[in-house]
Amino acid sequence: GDSVTQMEGPVTLSEEAFLTINCTYTATGYPSLFWYVQYPGEGLQLLLKATKADDKGSNKGFEATYRKETTSFHLEKGSVQVSDSAVYFCALRGTSYDKVIFGPGTSLSVIP
Amino acid sequence: DAGVTQSPTHLIKTRGQQVTLRCSPKSGHDTVSWYQQALGQGPQFIFQYYEEEERQRGNFPDRFSGHQFPNYSSELNVNALLLGDSALYLCASSRGAGQGEYFGPGTRLTVT
Repeated sequence: GDSVTQMEGPVTLSEEAFLTINCTYTATGYPSLFWYVQYPGEGLQLLLKATKADDKGSNKGFEATYRKETTSFHLEKGSVQVSDSAVYFCALRGTSYDKVIFGPGTSLSVIP
Repeated sequence: DAGVTQSPTHLIKTRGQQVTLRCSPKSGHDTVSWYQQALGQGPQFIFQYYEEEERQRGNFPDRFSGHQFPNYSSELNVNALLLGDSALYLCASSRGAGQGEYFGPGTRLTVT
């Protein structure tokens, strides 16, 4: 069945460092891809999305490009801040159903 | 404009009991999905309601049931609680099929 794989955490970075969180997926057809963020004690927030191949989603300095040839949707940010400390989930929604399938999450800690 | 709201925030139940969780979707949204998020894991899809009917269901036993009301709000019921049901239960709403989901803050259920 469809699935999402993310790089294992926790990831610890210094403020202003470059961030990459790898995400790959397995799905039939052309799924929509998402990154969600969960801050401590809060629910999930949609960070960005891409609905077709080569689309680039972006928000709050974060970017991810839908790469169908490598079935990847890696999350990047050029300069992280302490406030970016959270758990990041890569997710997909298939073309034949509406439920969202999540990866296991990657915990990010940014230290001053 | 209120987002997705859930009640209660926290709940403690004893094994074997029954529990009801509630969700009010974002204004204008007609589809509600429920997810279970165990500690340190990604959310797992339970089921989705649209037009007061269960449209999709994940791999959860019949102990998990739900309902959607004419005003689009929804309930999640869990019978015969097990220790393994302890988790954060997330409600998400969307407008129509195939649209992005907005998540509520969740209900933290602890089964002792």
